[in-house]
Amino acid sequence: QVQLVESGGGVVQPGTSLRLSCEVSGVGFSGYEMYWVRQAPGKGLGWVAVISYDENHKYYADSVKGRFTISRDTSKNTLYLQMNSLRTEDTALYYCTKKGSSGSYFDSWGPGTLVTVSS
Amino acid sequence: EIVMTQSPATLSVSPGERATLSCRASQSVSSKLAWYQQKPGQAPRLLIYDASTRATGVPARFSGSGSGTEFILTISSLQSEDFAVYYCQQYNNWYTFGQGTKLEIK
Repeated sequence: QVQLVESGGGVVQPGTSLRLSCEVSGVGFSGYEMYWVRQAPGKGLGWVAVISYDENHKYYADSVKGRFTISRDTSKNTLYLQMNSLRTEDTALYYCTKKGSSGSYFDSWGPGTLVTVSS
Repeated sequence: EIVMTQSPATLSVSPGERATLSCRASQSVSSKLAWYQQKPGQAPRLLIYDASTRATGVPARFSGSGSGTEFILTISSLQSEDFAVYYCQQYNNWYTFGQGTKLEIK
């Protein structure tokens, strides 16, 4: 049974930074592509970033490119999202997700961690 | 960017009835289409992937069909626990979601 648990969310001011973490258990973490997906309050879902299993490939949604950095620590079974220069429009529930076995759909989700950017 | 459009935005159906949800892609996504269910206060749950394959543990009353640009999620006999928001997602060219269909009790 795969478990993903996000942490690190909070209330921050525009222009500041925050680092999210996602601890993964119950699966061989090092073998899977991992993602961050976000959901603004009362809104739909949006992909944020993806990292390959070996950390060699990282891609970002245009809205966060140059500001967010995805990384992973295999020794700690943990996925990270470093968020810099935060904007009010980054306010959302951030989910850690795992790639499915046959394609880039998301077969496991954490409960999410809420990031609120407000002055 | 591939735009995913779901219809209707809200669907009112009685328990025991059939529900049909639609998802249209702005260009072909082949069969790289997933469906998710989201209940209030919960993370999304994968229901269907590759357009028609049920995820582990998903009841047989959920079925997916379609390819290319037109996709359907059918729930054959609605149970009380099925009333939720449903999202489609394409993964043929990066990853984009539809805006969701809210399935409510009639």
